[in-house]
Amino acid sequence: SYEVTQPFSVSVALGQTATITCGGYNIESKHVHWYLQKAGQAPTLVIYRDTIRASGIPERFTGSNSGNMATLTFSGAQAGDDGDYYCQVWDSTTAWVFGGGTRVTVL
Amino acid sequence: EVQLVESGGVVIQPGGSLRLSCAASGFTFDDYAMHWVRQAPGKGLEWVSLIHWDGGITNYADSVKGRFTISRDNSKDSLYLQMNSLSSDDTAMYFCARDSTAGGTLGHFDHWGLGTLVTVSS
Repeated sequence: SYEVTQPFSVSVALGQTATITCGGYNIESKHVHWYLQKAGQAPTLVIYRDTIRASGIPERFTGSNSGNMATLTFSGAQAGDDGDYYCQVWDSTTAWVFGGGTRVTVL
Repeated sequence: EVQLVESGGVVIQPGGSLRLSCAASGFTFDDYAMHWVRQAPGKGLEWVSLIHWDGGITNYADSVKGRFTISRDNSKDSLYLQMNSLSSDDTAMYFCARDSTAGGTLGHFDHWGLGTLVTVSS
């Protein structure tokens, strides 16, 4: 079965840049999607197909995917950026797979 | 505005059965595949099931295969999840989510409901 791995937590200072990774074997061959789930809320789409920002997502959010690692980066961190970020891929043997989630804290 | 509203979550005893519903509005329901995703308390997201736009194709996570059945009624803009032989491992918030495509395989989940809580406990 296919698995994707995310760091448990990431901290970023206000105004600085944060990077969240999503590792998986040859993940560059798959489309990676990113979701943000704020406390007590439903997930919302942030990035889809590796690099495309969802509606309403500011340009300071960017995605990339190469080799065995996909990344979500956001610059100019704001208090509202905190929450749990999940990467997701589709795999022919495992169907839809979510990473374990990364808790982002803006300091 | 796209809206997905789940219902049917309750506290239920192990071994019991339950049907969840998801009422969709604000879009042409039968243009899209739909999913159920769950989240156990304090845990991450787990995909549960997919149904194609016309109900002709369904898919399930191994953890629920043979126990859960996904269905939809396009005339009522509604999605369902029949859950049988429930165990404590099924305790979770259950979200319905719209796929960005009709078939689901290459899509992403572009809209989510707020979820309905299922608690399996004696």
